Amino acid sequence: AQSVSQHNHHVILSEAASLELGCNYSYGGTVNLFWYVQYPGQHLQLLLKYFSGDPLVKGIKGFEAEFIKSKFSFNLRKPSVQWSDTAEYFCAVNALGANNLFFGTGTRLTVIP
Amino acid sequence: SQTIHQWPATLVQPVGSPLSLECTVEGTSNPNLYWYRQAAGRGLQLLFYSVGIGQISSEVPQNLSASRPQDRQFILSSKKLLLSDSGFYLCAWSRRYGGSAEKLFFGSGTQLSVL
Repeated sequence: AQSVSQHNHHVILSEAASLELGCNYSYGGTVNLFWYVQYPGQHLQLLLKYFSGDPLVKGIKGFEAEFIKSKFSFNLRKPSVQWSDTAEYFCAVNALGANNLFFGTGTRLTVIP
Repeated sequence: SQTIHQWPATLVQPVGSPLSLECTVEGTSNPNLYWYRQAAGRGLQLLFYSVGIGQISSEVPQNLSASRPQDRQFILSSKKLLLSDSGFYLCAWSRRYGGSAEKLFFGSGTQLSVL
């Protein structure tokens, strides 16, 4: 089965700082990759996804992620964070053609105004 | 539009008692359905998923079971709860894209406390 590692458990940034959250997966075949976000008191929601094509994908709220196949990575980036980005971020993976979706342990982001 | 309903929101049960959590989806047909458990520092653990009525795949062997008696209904059950079953349970649904699960839509969750 696939697995996902998110090595940053808690990241604290000041507003306007740049963000990069790491995500690595283990699976030898073709994968679909996702980033989900959970704002305080809200449901988990999709931030962005990669299925195929351009490995640099753009999501909502200025987030982007780059799929680097050789590194089995799908890191999330944002050039300038805002206080409203304070949330928990989850990376997820499923194998192409599969219906089970595996999540990482999540990274809590705190943005200080 | 599609909606997902999950209930109850909170539940306190004694050890050894049965469990039934229900999830229903409206506004779509033949969805994939999922049960996850979310624990602090452990992310979301996939428990069960289903691609159709009566089709259940279990990812983690444990004290829980799942059933899908109708296309848009997914039930998480236990005959005898353990203390370790405490946690936050999330139901989710997705469409399929090219045979793979597409993005998940999550319910509001059930906080289960086993005492």
